[in-house]
Amino acid sequence: DVKVTQSSRYLVKRTGEKVFLECVQDMDHENMFWYRQDPGLGLRLIYFSYDVKMKEKGDIPEGYSVSREKKERFSLILESASTNQTSMYLCASSPVESGTGLSEQYFGPGTRLTVT
Amino acid sequence: GEDVEQSLFLSVREGDSSVINCTYTDSSSTYLYWYKQEPGAGLQLLTYIFSNMDMKQDQRLTVLLNKKDKHLSLRIADTQTGDSAIYFCAGRHSGGGADGLTFGKGTHLIIQP
Repeated sequence: DVKVTQSSRYLVKRTGEKVFLECVQDMDHENMFWYRQDPGLGLRLIYFSYDVKMKEKGDIPEGYSVSREKKERFSLILESASTNQTSMYLCASSPVESGTGLSEQYFGPGTRLTVT
Repeated sequence: GEDVEQSLFLSVREGDSSVINCTYTDSSSTYLYWYKQEPGAGLQLLTYIFSNMDMKQDQRLTVLLNKKDKHLSLRIADTQTGDSAIYFCAGRHSGGGADGLTFGKGTHLIIQP
């Protein structure tokens, strides 16, 4: 079974703090993703990575950065947390596309971050 | 990039069929996906359909694809309380990166007794 784990289920931080959200997958997947999920807005892609040390901006990268030093681990960093970053953060991983176009993503349980 | 639209809520009675609809803009997706998110959990792939198919059936689930209208639907037969969840339609993300997906906002399926 593919397992994607996230370091915390719930996190409360203060405005201005630096926040690290960690994600680990155990299936040797090349691709990893960070989304945020907000009511009425669905999932929005923040950043993704297709290889170690490689990263690409998603649709809403502002205020976030990422780090992928090892294949199994993808970290999302909020350099200076703000209240509008209160959200559910979902990490996902997927294998490299095999040429068929099929791209299943496996999700972690999510981290609910509250910034006060 | 891809834009995926779906209605936010659907309410059905237990035992009836549920039909969740989705429209998309980018026809380059080789596959289109339905993900399910149960309360307090991450998303799980429910089913998918290859873009050259019109229909795919998997037990109580039927996926219909109308490529001309760029319309995808998920039908759940004999809806049960355990089907209560948020259902996301997803297609290929065309903003860069080989394997990104663009998700719709999700449809909350509410089961009435």
